[in-house]
Amino acid sequence: ILNVEQSPQSLHVQEGDSTNFTCSFPSSNFYALHWYRWETAKSPEALFVMTLNGDEKKKGRISATLNTKEGYSYLYIKGSQPEDSATYLCAHGTSYGKLTFGQGTILTVHP
Amino acid sequence: SQTIHQWPATLVQPVGSPLSLECTVEGTSNPNLYWYRQAAGRGLQLLFYSVGIGQISSEVPQNLSASRPQDRQFILSSKKLLLSDSGFYLCAWSPRRPYSYNSPLHFGNGTRLTVT
Repeated sequence: ILNVEQSPQSLHVQEGDSTNFTCSFPSSNFYALHWYRWETAKSPEALFVMTLNGDEKKKGRISATLNTKEGYSYLYIKGSQPEDSATYLCAHGTSYGKLTFGQGTILTVHP
Repeated sequence: SQTIHQWPATLVQPVGSPLSLECTVEGTSNPNLYWYRQAAGRGLQLLFYSVGIGQISSEVPQNLSASRPQDRQFILSSKKLLLSDSGFYLCAWSPRRPYSYNSPLHFGNGTRLTVT
């Protein structure tokens, strides 16, 4: 994998459902993996920065895992709420904080 | 606390006109600064980054340029806009640290540029 790829592109779930997205990135020359949430009419907001293989981070109902050897990260949302509706971006970090972003997963949570 | 200001929020410019977008950061010193663009249907693409006054690195060849005249000011410019310059432009900063890739980016609210 040469670029950062996210799947699915979009996702519709019902309130209360749990969901997860995937981010694939180059496994060589790995420095860091970032997750951001981008709500409509707002600026992207950082969720997690992970650097070590096997890292797991949690923030409320949202958690993320990292596998640097195979080049993927999962983002999980437990019990989705309408306010979780946003575009979720992952980004592969290199030196100087330069990030290569995926195209994002658009999550819509229906009440 | 740190804040980032970016303006204008929206801009409609004719082809061939100049461009100047400005971004300022408050509450921190010596930040790394970045300009990103999201073109229609595409992800965020890094255009420029800066690790200090007058130090600019360009990531992709393009019709745009960037300058950093002061520590916390980052400007994106063009002498003559092209239709392909349309998009959503985001300024961001991160703390200057030995391992900057560990630091999350803090984004401004963005500028929606439409070139007609």
